[in-house]
Amino acid sequence: SQQGEEDPQALSIQEGENATMNCSYKTSINNLQWYRQNSGRGLVHLILIRSNEREKHSGRLRVTLDTSKKSSSLLITASRAADTASYFCATAPYNTDKLIFGTGTRLQVFP
Amino acid sequence: KAGVTQTPRYLIKTRGQQVTLSCSPISGHRSVSWYQQTPGQGLQFLFEYFSETQRNKGNFPGRFSGRQFSNSRSEMNVSTLELGDSALYLCASSFGGPAEETQYFGPGTRLLVL
Repeated sequence: SQQGEEDPQALSIQEGENATMNCSYKTSINNLQWYRQNSGRGLVHLILIRSNEREKHSGRLRVTLDTSKKSSSLLITASRAADTASYFCATAPYNTDKLIFGTGTRLQVFP
Repeated sequence: KAGVTQTPRYLIKTRGQQVTLSCSPISGHRSVSWYQQTPGQGLQFLFEYFSETQRNKGNFPGRFSGRQFSNSRSEMNVSTLELGDSALYLCASSFGGPAEETQYFGPGTRLLVL
């Protein structure tokens, strides 16, 4: 079963706009990771945020983590057409050595 | 250094057959995880190997099995294929394990069962 549920399932925006995706999960975690997948290919790692961290940045990406609400968000600023992809959160539940993926958000950025 | 490679990239099989997929991790990585991705179920964890030992297993039937060799290369096998096994099979590698650090994914093997 899925640990993470992502919202929205699909998002369409214009280039230059910001895109925000949310991830909710069910159990305590060691860390939460965000990945991008282009059109049925392999996944590319974006950011890993540990349970004791609240915010992390990487270029145009900003990830927040609220362990009290069991939720995370990924913000992509000044989006580009090349950001068009599916975005997945993945959680590492506490005391396991598994990575469990959410359902994903399909982002479409129009030029 | 070279990324994670998976072979073959595409495969067509018929029901009842078996299939073996291969994954070569990034040099130095000892953990290899396998995932199944389908439109209906999303990304599902199959199993993870570390230093030739299976450490974790997902909720898949015994028809799905795997192994890891001393050079960290891994294979997964699916016996008695069913139509529902049609999917993109992804492997990922890391130094430690999937719960500890970044996973590096291969391009996947797309399996179609007819």
